[in-house]
Amino acid sequence: NAGVTQTPKFRVLKTGQSMTLLCAQDMNHEYMYWYRQDPGMGLRLIHYSVGEGTTAKGEVPDGYNVSRLKKQNFLLGLESAAPSQTSVYFCASSELSGTPSNQPQHFGDGTRLSIL
Amino acid sequence: GENVEQHPSTLSVQEGDSAVIKCTYSDSASNYFPWYKQELGKGPQLIIDIRSNVGEKKDQRIAVTLNKTAKHFSLHITETQPEDSAVYFCAASTRGNTPLVFGKGTRLSVIA
Repeated sequence: NAGVTQTPKFRVLKTGQSMTLLCAQDMNHEYMYWYRQDPGMGLRLIHYSVGEGTTAKGEVPDGYNVSRLKKQNFLLGLESAAPSQTSVYFCASSELSGTPSNQPQHFGDGTRLSIL
Repeated sequence: GENVEQHPSTLSVQEGDSAVIKCTYSDSASNYFPWYKQELGKGPQLIIDIRSNVGEKKDQRIAVTLNKTAKHFSLHITETQPEDSAVYFCAASTRGNTPLVFGKGTRLSVIA
């Protein structure tokens, strides 16, 4: 049982390039989330999804897009990467239980992204 | 919306001593409060959580207390060990269809 798997684990991009980060969960969770973690800033929510085919903006959505075409996958896209998007990106998922905030989140081990 | 403040941002303790991390929240409707531990190079992992119908919960050397009146909750680690060194995050539930709100984290160092 893998839990939450993020690919790739590391990536270096040049400014202006695009890429997609993939998150896959095998726990049949309804809710999925993307965070970025920067020194001293904690975890900041980028986008989240409350079910297949749905997405919503979090605290810092600008410059990112997401898609949830399958329940088990949540994709995070950077259309035109900027140095300010250098960060560690975490995906998480949680069970369906009333609201997205009433159950614990299960995290992947992150994608370390550097943009030059 | 919900706002979660976490203190201190860094904490150093001697091995065997206790460590306490405190969080305050703003929304009196919040009813779920998890704590996460993040080791170097890993994602956050849930270590303990508490719901608003109880005031305290223990799991071996870890305990969480909740004061709903004052809107704060705390993580207590007793008999600290070097492997407790990590970043710890608190979080609180929110109203409506929005996710947990996280504190900014506490870096705990246990000195052998």
